[in-house]
Amino acid sequence: KNQVEQSPQSLIILEGKNCTLQCNYTVSPFSNLRWYKQDTGRGPVSLTIMTFSENTKSNGRYTATLDADTKQSSLHITASQLSDSASYICVVIINAGKSTFGDGTTLTVKP
Amino acid sequence: DVKVTQSSRYLVKRTGEKVFLECVQDMDHENMFWYRQDPGLGLRLIYFSYDVKMKEKGDIPEGYSVSREKKERFSLILESASTNQTSMYLCASTPLTGYNTGELFFGEGSRLTVL
Repeated sequence: KNQVEQSPQSLIILEGKNCTLQCNYTVSPFSNLRWYKQDTGRGPVSLTIMTFSENTKSNGRYTATLDADTKQSSLHITASQLSDSASYICVVIINAGKSTFGDGTTLTVKP
Repeated sequence: DVKVTQSSRYLVKRTGEKVFLECVQDMDHENMFWYRQDPGLGLRLIYFSYDVKMKEKGDIPEGYSVSREKKERFSLILESASTNQTSMYLCASTPLTGYNTGELFFGEGSRLTVL
């Protein structure tokens, strides 16, 4: 069983709308949790980092939350743009040598 | 900015050929990784290295080997390519200390097709 589960698997929204992606994990303990954005055919790029003691972190239109009690994280995208179309991957980092990846959520933003 | 450079974006090889995938990072990171990414399976760790000439098997090392002769360079080798090794290969590096500890900096990926 994957220790990092993401939902939904895919999502289609209209440009300008908001959306929330979910990440449930069982990995424990961990150093930090990151959300990565991966454009089609490109390598993943880090969006946010959260340590286990942080609840929320923003990066422009992206806001990540973390609830260490329920072992859930979410990524909220505000006022979506066409360029937000990508795969979003939740990664739980145990230490500098070990990370556990979710399978990703594929987001499509339509005009 | 950290830069992780993979030598080839697209490769097409024949079954049985030896394949080299090269990765170079310019930020003096200690750890380097090779992943493969397949639809529905996410990223899976093949090998990682925490120092020059050191390597550790990841989750799916079968059919692969690696080489790290210099700190900045980590190579993935397919001794005899097979069709089930058709995939996107991603190299990453990460520092051992500092705020970015554990942050994986990825290359652009190498899409390998084995015919």
